[in-house]
Amino acid sequence: AAGVIQSPRHLIKEKRETATLKCYPIPRHDTVYWYQQGPGQDPQFLISFYEKMQSDKGSIPDRFSAQQFSDYHSELNMSSLELGDSALYFCASSFGDLRMNTEAFFGQGTRLTVV
Amino acid sequence: DAKTTQPTSMDCAEGRAANLPCNHSTISGNEYVYWYRQIHSQGPQYIIHGLKNNETNEMASLIITEDRKSSTLILPHATLRDTAVYYCIAVSGGSNYKLTFGKGTLLTVNP
Repeated sequence: AAGVIQSPRHLIKEKRETATLKCYPIPRHDTVYWYQQGPGQDPQFLISFYEKMQSDKGSIPDRFSAQQFSDYHSELNMSSLELGDSALYFCASSFGDLRMNTEAFFGQGTRLTVV
Repeated sequence: DAKTTQPTSMDCAEGRAANLPCNHSTISGNEYVYWYRQIHSQGPQYIIHGLKNNETNEMASLIITEDRKSSTLILPHATLRDTAVYYCIAVSGGSNYKLTFGKGTLLTVNP
């Protein structure tokens, strides 16, 4: 079965550069969630989209922005990168949000290293 | 959102059942209990979820107490590949129906 696809899987950037992470949800899924997981930490919610509209926002820095496109894929744009942004970034998708008794499935993540 | 409490770590022998407890004493009537696991640096993997009835799928069983204040995830025949951090998450409108990860349980399955 098709899963959530994230690209790239690995990314190395220098401080103050920009990065764009992409997420392709499972077909027919209309909800996308982004998470950040620092070393030794638990995944932290950043932002989510439902039907191409932002549905919730967590601890996402102002330097980050995201959107969901008409084909439901999503991109997380990160600017003025800092060393502390080095982390695993996970995307998850679901059909509807979790009030609909559904499941969210995660991609394998993008490992971002800022040097 | 209901806060969930899990043991920091547990051990289990290969081939035995692994029973992972979760306390959610403040859970409200409309909060689902979700279980995910994360094998080192991989994406969290959905296991099972439920509201008030016990649930079973090909991976695990979820037993929710009648008062819904706690639940137990059961892996019937643990294998070495089940070694992971297991997260119990209560999902409700208070969290805008998203997954909020807390401190999970590191389950180590030993040969």
